[in-house]
Amino acid sequence: SAVISQKPSRDICQRGTSLTIQCQVDSQVTMMFWYRQQPGQSLTLIATANQGSEATYESGFVIDKFPISRPNLTFSTLTVSNMSPEDSSIYLCSVSGGETEAFFGQGTRLTVV
Amino acid sequence: GENVEQHPSTLSVQEGDSAVIKCTYSDSASNYFPWYKQELGKRPQLIIDIRSNVGEKKDQRIAVTLNKTAKHFSLHITETQPEDSAVYFCAASSGLGGGGNKLTFGTGTQLKVEL
Repeated sequence: SAVISQKPSRDICQRGTSLTIQCQVDSQVTMMFWYRQQPGQSLTLIATANQGSEATYESGFVIDKFPISRPNLTFSTLTVSNMSPEDSSIYLCSVSGGETEAFFGQGTRLTVV
Repeated sequence: GENVEQHPSTLSVQEGDSAVIKCTYSDSASNYFPWYKQELGKRPQLIIDIRSNVGEKKDQRIAVTLNKTAKHFSLHITETQPEDSAVYFCAASSGLGGGGNKLTFGTGTQLKVEL
């Protein structure tokens, strides 16, 4: 199994500002994933982050809004840029144990005011 | 891309009864189907999963069945208990190789087990 530390756990931000979320894994992993969970909704994949290459974004998500870094095999960041109230969500990072179970960080609860 | 539909959106059962949640998927290449339980304010936790080469898997009170031909899979919880109350998500993945699982989630089922 993988242990994932994500921070901050929550934040309240002003609209127009940016927030960077960090995700640290206790083992080296090839791929890391960033999901968004809007209030009362399901999880939606934002992007897949590979070390040494640009992240791959899902339809509806763009790099300018959600820039991602992946400097090594145990760490990634997701930035939510130029925030609006519609960005208020829980953001979760995830890694896979081989090709099976996906493990999640505890999530970052973002409120934009 | 993959699309996963999940029903029902809410489910209320009496303690001790069984609960069944159903999902359908669209991508015939999907070969991995996990179920997650998410309690309020917590991260999703894997409760059971199944691969496409298996039709059924059971773990104590929880079982999952898969029909690849029909592209649907179901979660069965028997002898429900109040602590089973949570939101349950199904998901599907075709795997990315090299240690990656890009999951497409269903819309979730709010299960309430009443005393």
